[in-house]
Amino acid sequence: DARVTQTPRHKVTEMGQEVTMRCQPILGHNTVFWYRQTMMQGLELLAYFRNRAPLDDSGMPKDRFSAEMPDATLATLKIQPSEPRDSAVYFCASGQLRGQEGETQYFGPGTRLLVL
Amino acid sequence: AQKVTQAQTEISVVEKEDVTLDCVYETRDTTYYLFWYKQPPSGELVFLIRRNSFDEQNEISGRYSWNFQKSTSSFNFTITASQVVDSAVYFCALSEGVTNAGKSTFGDGTTLTVKP
Repeated sequence: DARVTQTPRHKVTEMGQEVTMRCQPILGHNTVFWYRQTMMQGLELLAYFRNRAPLDDSGMPKDRFSAEMPDATLATLKIQPSEPRDSAVYFCASGQLRGQEGETQYFGPGTRLLVL
Repeated sequence: AQKVTQAQTEISVVEKEDVTLDCVYETRDTTYYLFWYKQPPSGELVFLIRRNSFDEQNEISGRYSWNFQKSTSSFNFTITASQVVDSAVYFCALSEGVTNAGKSTFGDGTTLTVKP
């Protein structure tokens, strides 16, 4: 049963520290999404990649957030420096886009981040 | 721009009641895709269904059914004979097939509580 995996599942850190979240997409999927979920804002798309190339990161605060895909099996989301307002659940999702079809996104379990 | 509206923030029903979750969408594309996801208390988002804009056939899967009506831009989700395990947040999502292939816009979610 293929699943998206995310590490760590929980992270507590102090303001100003760097946070790195990792995602392993489902093998064979060519698209990876990063979302942030908070009570106030709901689900927000931060960035997404296709075939490892960034397609859209307009939802991401540019000054402190960065997203990369070093290879097809790993996506990372970094926050440096972290702030209390970054506290949220961060989801990674992957999908397989074929032609012009919309793809189904399969979500990982999320990383619950608390910045003190 | 695409938009998804889930007007019902919270719904509470008693077990065995039928319940319908509403979803209204906006898009300028003629090709698009609609999704429903379930987020149980455990937090992970689970894919339930995907429909293409050119296929208005309703779908039934066990106690779940979906009613897609392009004339009213709606994609409603009905749970028949609800059970306590159906308690979750349900998200409707829209992906434009051509403009932003793969990028989904999520509604704010409907929290369903099924009481025993």
